[in-house]
Amino acid sequence: GAGVSQSPSNKVTEKGKDVELRCDPISGHTALYWYRQSLGQGLEFLIYFQGNSAPDKSGLPSDRFSAERTGGSVSTLTIQRTQQEDSAVYLCASSLALRTEAFFGQGTRLTVV
Amino acid sequence: EDKVVQSPLSLVVHEGDTVTLNCSYEVTNFRSLLWYKQEKKAPTFLFMLTSSGIEKKSGRLSSILDKKELFSILNITATQTGDSAIYLCALYGGSQGNLIFGKGTKLSVKP
Repeated sequence: GAGVSQSPSNKVTEKGKDVELRCDPISGHTALYWYRQSLGQGLEFLIYFQGNSAPDKSGLPSDRFSAERTGGSVSTLTIQRTQQEDSAVYLCASSLALRTEAFFGQGTRLTVV
Repeated sequence: EDKVVQSPLSLVVHEGDTVTLNCSYEVTNFRSLLWYKQEKKAPTFLFMLTSSGIEKKSGRLSSILDKKELFSILNITATQTGDSAIYLCALYGGSQGNLIFGKGTKLSVKP
């Protein structure tokens, strides 16, 4: 696609529910990154993929968070049993290869009520 | 521990002013430094710098890297209200492939 596409753009969920966030990277981009940004805070690294594999899962804040990428393209970030502190903007980025220019999607604003 | 420190944290200027934003870093195995502009949700890519002393320029924005002193600057000349945003500095370094971000500089340009 022309750019990184994330869906939904906004999500309101009740505490305790599971949510899935989707990221569709730029076509041909092999690297994909997930970050989250809480209100007024910097970007917190969550996980990155090179192809379908995730060499670094150290940024995932708890075992309620998981991510997968299939076919070297679309990625989903799943948060189980959501908590209010999970409320944030979840940003996805992709790059042609590791350590090249990374381009961000518009983000998903998650609100846990 | 790899880190990226940006200064100032916030800055208020008037249209037409020139501003310089700073980014200093400590990282093992430096690879490249990137600048982004964040207005609403999505950071927009500005520059990627890998070599010292080579200025990158796009319109009124320019940036340069000093790998000896471990910093980069982003200059904006003749600022406009549309330049108001958070400017983020990020690094590829260390043993992993992810970008390490600074906390950003919030620039406000008053008419």
